[in-house]
Amino acid sequence: QQQVKQSPQSLIVQKGGISIINCAYENTAFDYFPWYQQFPGKGPALLIAIRPDVSEKKEGRFTISFNKSAKQFSLHIMDSQPGDSATYFCAAMAGNTPLVFGKGTRLSVIA
Amino acid sequence: EPEVTQTPSHQVTQMGQEVILRCVPISNHLYFYWYRQILGQKVEFLVSFYNNEISEKSEIFDDQFSVERPDGSNFTLKIRSTKLEDSAMYFCASSPGTAEKLFFGSGTQLSVL
Repeated sequence: QQQVKQSPQSLIVQKGGISIINCAYENTAFDYFPWYQQFPGKGPALLIAIRPDVSEKKEGRFTISFNKSAKQFSLHIMDSQPGDSATYFCAAMAGNTPLVFGKGTRLSVIA
Repeated sequence: EPEVTQTPSHQVTQMGQEVILRCVPISNHLYFYWYRQILGQKVEFLVSFYNNEISEKSEIFDDQFSVERPDGSNFTLKIRSTKLEDSAMYFCASSPGTAEKLFFGSGTQLSVL
């Protein structure tokens, strides 16, 4: 119930391509869905977040798509760059409860 | 830009020993957290701390764990008697208000031998 399932575990994308990472949840009380980006040797950093009252949120090359009925949300990285190579975590929370994280996706963008 | 700082970056200890992991949250933040990440696994919540007391803790945070804010700046996690399975990256985080905007430190890699 408290899990957030993330896929794929790893992803290799060509420079300029689109990276897509998917997450699914069961707890319908979740009302906040952030994505965190983590570079090696660093802690996770908030990248972008969405609430279930909208189906999409875009910030620069990063877009969250949210499907409330399917209980799924995804991160799209357009025009992927080598500097985007990192581990990405989806997360969810209900109210002010602690964030629940997915297992992470290691993205490698190759030239 | 303000950041959460954690020390040490690496800690090696023998099983059964006590360790203290230290964190300096961002100065005007009110909520403090500890998370951990076992190699290759997800980031797991341990405990949250607000107004000088624990506000929530997970089932991982058993009697071997404790947190303290000994002064106005530091926030510590103590593991009394470390086990092999405590080996993980421990992240401190802070937020100005709700848990929506967490700022993480770079972590302490704890290795229990």
